[in-house]
Amino acid sequence: DAGVTQSPTHLIKTRGQQVTLRCSPKSGHDTVSWYQQALGQGPQFIFQYYEEEERQRGNFPDRFSGHQFPNYSSELNVNALLLGDSALYLCASSPSTGEGPQHFGDGTRLSIL
Amino acid sequence: QQQVKQSPQSLIVQKGGISIINCAYENTAFDYFPWYQQFPGKGPALLIAIRPDVSEKKEGRFTISFNKSAKQFSLHIMDSQPGDSATYFCAAATQGGKLIFGQGTELSVKP
Repeated sequence: DAGVTQSPTHLIKTRGQQVTLRCSPKSGHDTVSWYQQALGQGPQFIFQYYEEEERQRGNFPDRFSGHQFPNYSSELNVNALLLGDSALYLCASSPSTGEGPQHFGDGTRLSIL
Repeated sequence: QQQVKQSPQSLIVQKGGISIINCAYENTAFDYFPWYQQFPGKGPALLIAIRPDVSEKKEGRFTISFNKSAKQFSLHIMDSQPGDSATYFCAAATQGGKLIFGQGTELSVKP
């Protein structure tokens, strides 16, 4: 049973560029949440997708956007990258909104030069 | 009010000892309190979780103690092993699943 998978594993971009990160949820899960984890910090909630809609959003600018596809996979898009966007981006999936524990992938390490 | 405060920031324990990590929260709407373990280069892995209607939950060597009136909860790792060396995060969530994480505790278990 595959867990949460994320791609790519690592990514290097320059300031001002745009990036797309991808996530496939654990089998049987239909809710996907995205988190940003800066070095030495706890993950911070970006947003959550359920039934292809953004259901909750954390305190992130609208440069951060997402999408969920009919197969429950999800993308995180970040526009106009800043140096401060360098972080580990984590995807978590859960069975349905408000129920069941969230299972995390191993993340995408994004470095901005 | 959305913060979860975690302490200590780092912890060194001898093999076989007890590791204790504490967390405190303000938002009484939180109704789910998980602990995650994270190894370098990996995502957080769910260790154990508790809901506020229970004061203690034990799974193997891991125990959560929950004090609803004090708005505090803690993780106890009994018989700590070098393989337990990792970063531990407490978290809290309301219905809907948005997790608010603590700052993390870096645990080192010395052989």
